[in-house]
Amino acid sequence: GESVGLHLPTLSVQEGDNSIINCAYSNSASDYFIWYKQESGKGPQFIIDIRSNMDKRQGQRVTVLLNKTVKHLSLQIAATQPGDSAVYFCAENGPPSDDMRFGAGTRLTVKP
Amino acid sequence: NAGVTQTPKFRILKIGQSMTLQCTQDMNHNYMYWYRQDPGMGLKLIYYSVGAGITDKGEVPNGYNVSRSTTEDFPLRLELAAPSQTSVYFCASSFNLDQPQHFGDGTRLSIL
Repeated sequence: GESVGLHLPTLSVQEGDNSIINCAYSNSASDYFIWYKQESGKGPQFIIDIRSNMDKRQGQRVTVLLNKTVKHLSLQIAATQPGDSAVYFCAENGPPSDDMRFGAGTRLTVKP
Repeated sequence: NAGVTQTPKFRILKIGQSMTLQCTQDMNHNYMYWYRQDPGMGLKLIYYSVGAGITDKGEVPNGYNVSRSTTEDFPLRLELAAPSQTSVYFCASSFNLDQPQHFGDGTRLSIL
């Protein structure tokens, strides 16, 4: 989940397992959502996006689920690999400001 | 394509000094952004631009200035560096407001 503060939520999984990272958003008018991956010392990297007219979208090994009723977004990573270790954060966009709003992130650690 | 390129990668400034963080993109994106990222926090928008000659304030603009004379370049200026500006700064660009933003690898700035 999301957190504001010095310590990011962490998720530790075994290599090969599936990972689920969650994000709660507050603006019910948000209509565009993105998941980013950020490796140490690097800039955020786009993973997958979804618009509010969809509940689910799949990419390569990743799936994003959107539940507008409870304002919840999740990222599922199948067969997690050591290279998936990073901080993952969600971003939302929509009225009134149309600025992209970013969560603090979840740190995913993949154990070999 | 190089994408979004930021220079320098690291910098240490003394209080009161000034500097310019450079950002250039080769994707012909109209939208460009500057964010700061503090430990355990989400990205905070400093300034953004919707095209050459147009800039606007984000959430945390105080102490910074920007210009956008060309589509490719979007420099960020710190006039009187303060310890509170110690952070990692990311530049990003996008085709539109509701499209994925592409990030540079950041400038790590310390003010002592």
